Parts: sequence; C-alpha cells; structure tokens
Amino acid sequence: QSALTQPASVSGSPGQSITISCTGTRSDVGTYHYVSWYQQHPGKAPKLIIFEVSKRPSGVSNRFSGSKSGNTASLTISGLQAGDEADYFCSSYTGRNTLFVFGTGTKVTVL
Amino acid sequence: EVQLVQSGAEMKKAGESLRISCQGSGYNFASYWIAWVRQTPGGGLEWMGRIDPDDSYTNYSPSFQGHVTISADKSITTAYLHWSSLRASDTAIYYCVSPKKGLDGEAFHYWGQGALVTVSS
Repeated sequence: QSALTQPASVSGSPGQSITISCTGTRSDVGTYHYVSWYQQHPGKAPKLIIFEVSKRPSGVSNRFSGSKSGNTASLTISGLQAGDEADYFCSSYTGRNTLFVFGTGTKVTVL
Repeated sequence: EVQLVQSGAEMKKAGESLRISCQGSGYNFASYWIAWVRQTPGGGLEWMGRIDPDDSYTNYSPSFQGHVTISADKSITTAYLHWSSLRASDTAIYYCVSPKKGLDGEAFHYWGQGALVTVSS
C-alpha cells in the first residue's frame, strides 16, 4: 500500500489561505469517506484536526476545513497564523490489509 | 479526560528483544481498538497494526506482520508492542493511537506521547 501523495512544502503570509492536497487512489481516498488530517508541531505527537473528510473535532479552529474530490482530498487553512507552522499529514482508511495509509507529509511555513 | 500514556525511550542493540507499553485511562479501554503508528527518522508515518482489547483480535500491516506482536491486557488497560529481534531499521518514534467511537475506519482521535526506540547495529 503506497503512501498518499502530498506536496513537500506549502507557504503563505499571515492572514492568507493555503490548501494542501492529498492524492490517493480509487482503493482508498476515492472510495472511503474516512479521510483525516493531522497537525504535528516539532517534538510533539500529531493532533487530529479533520476527520471523515470535513468534520472538525471539538476545540479545533474553524479556520481548518477539509474536502474531497475523486481520489484527492484537500485541507484548507484560512487566516494563516504563526502557530499554524507545522507538519500536516493526511490519512485514509483502505479496507485492505494495511487498514490505514498516511500521506507523505507537508511542511507549512508562515512567511 | 482520555489519556494514552506510553513507556519511556529505549536504547537497544540489534537482535535484542523489546516491549513498549501504552496505558489508557478516562474511557472504557475494552470498547475501542488501539493501533500503533511508526514515525521514521525522516518524519513519515506508517500504520503498523491494531488490536481489539476486548478479545485481542489483531490486524497487521503486511509491512510489519511477523516482525512485531501487538497485545493487550484489558484488566490493566494496557496495550503492548513487542519485538523479539530488533533491527537498526526499527529506530523510530512509536505512537499508540485510538479512535473516539471504535468504528472501522474511525480516525485517530487520541495519541500517546510517543516512545523513541533507538537500535544500534
């Protein structure tokens, strides 16, 4: 099961919006509504920020939003803030032996 | 408050055995599966496998099947990840994770703090 493909880095200025893509296949992102996104600051455990494509856990800012089209999921961060600088990973359920697959990760830089 | 608390960092030599642990609290431990996720030195995340603490049913990624063993003791709300023979390539941070509802496909709502395993050759 190959990793989902994400851009290595995305940057933006404070206040801007950025979008991170996560491309899989018909066997994972394209079939299941179980796409999630995680934010990881240096030295910390990842934190869930989006689940089931577009749902936010309690306490997560509504500046984070998710969507999906075909085999590609996307995470949009609006009103970019310095604290958003982190690594972001997507994940999808696959229903196969490797039940979950992660994305390659994207480093977000706030200019 | 749901918490997953992992055992500490380990330094081992290739060929040695190791078991790391993850204790859950603040929820019904037996009701939600626990999975293990590896983060390599390069930063990538990999799903290794999961266990249903209620009946110890396991699923493994083919990439890890046969090299690691996942177990759980629901009486002490603890899950384990075990290697009988470590390799240098096992050097990584290992996280235990759990969903919020226990449904198949459910996301990883809760994460342990991670355990760094360093294996020298």
